[in-house]
Amino acid sequence: GENVEQHPSTLSVQEGDSAVIKCTYSDSASNYFPWYKQELGKGPQLIIDIRSNVGEKKDQRIAVTLNKTAKHFSLHITETQPEDSAVYFCAASARSDKLIFGTGTRLQVFP
Amino acid sequence: GAGVSQSPSNKVTEKGKDVELRCDPISGHTALYWYRQSLGQGLEFLIYFQGNSAPDKSGLPSDRFSAERTGGSVSTLTIQRTQQEDSAVYLCASSWDRNTEAFFGQGTRLTVV
Repeated sequence: GENVEQHPSTLSVQEGDSAVIKCTYSDSASNYFPWYKQELGKGPQLIIDIRSNVGEKKDQRIAVTLNKTAKHFSLHITETQPEDSAVYFCAASARSDKLIFGTGTRLQVFP
Repeated sequence: GAGVSQSPSNKVTEKGKDVELRCDPISGHTALYWYRQSLGQGLEFLIYFQGNSAPDKSGLPSDRFSAERTGGSVSTLTIQRTQQEDSAVYLCASSWDRNTEAFFGQGTRLTVV
């Protein structure tokens, strides 16, 4: 079936360090891979997305890489700041285009 | 305007009662999703509406759950004969089209006592 695995479940870094979150997906037909940030008590918000015809995309301190052959994609946050602390979710589109989410990564950035 | 609106924001109900959760998507968005998020957990897909196509109901956990989307806009998620394990935050999202940014509402926190 359609499945997205996400690692790690928790990640603690020092302010200024980089953070990397990795996801793998099962459906080879997936072609859209968004990343969401969820702060306490709020709905998830899109921070970056990538499509299957692109291998890498960058937006300031955030970048996403996609390896279609291996069916995995990663989120990279550089120069982390305390306000980056949140839960991050990856997602992949599946057949019928519904979005399937990973289980989330709780990122804590310590000053 | 503007964002995805969900109501109520909180709902406490007794076991066995039916509940209706409402989602007002962003105007013009053709795609609408419902997800369930248990405490500290990920987003569990429930149902997906895309335009006039038949909805993808493959995530509904039991026949006590149903959803409709009237006129391609407002959606209602109905849970019949609620059980304690139904307690969770129910999130609605909408997007302009398939495989585009999905905007989430704040969610409805459902507590079954």
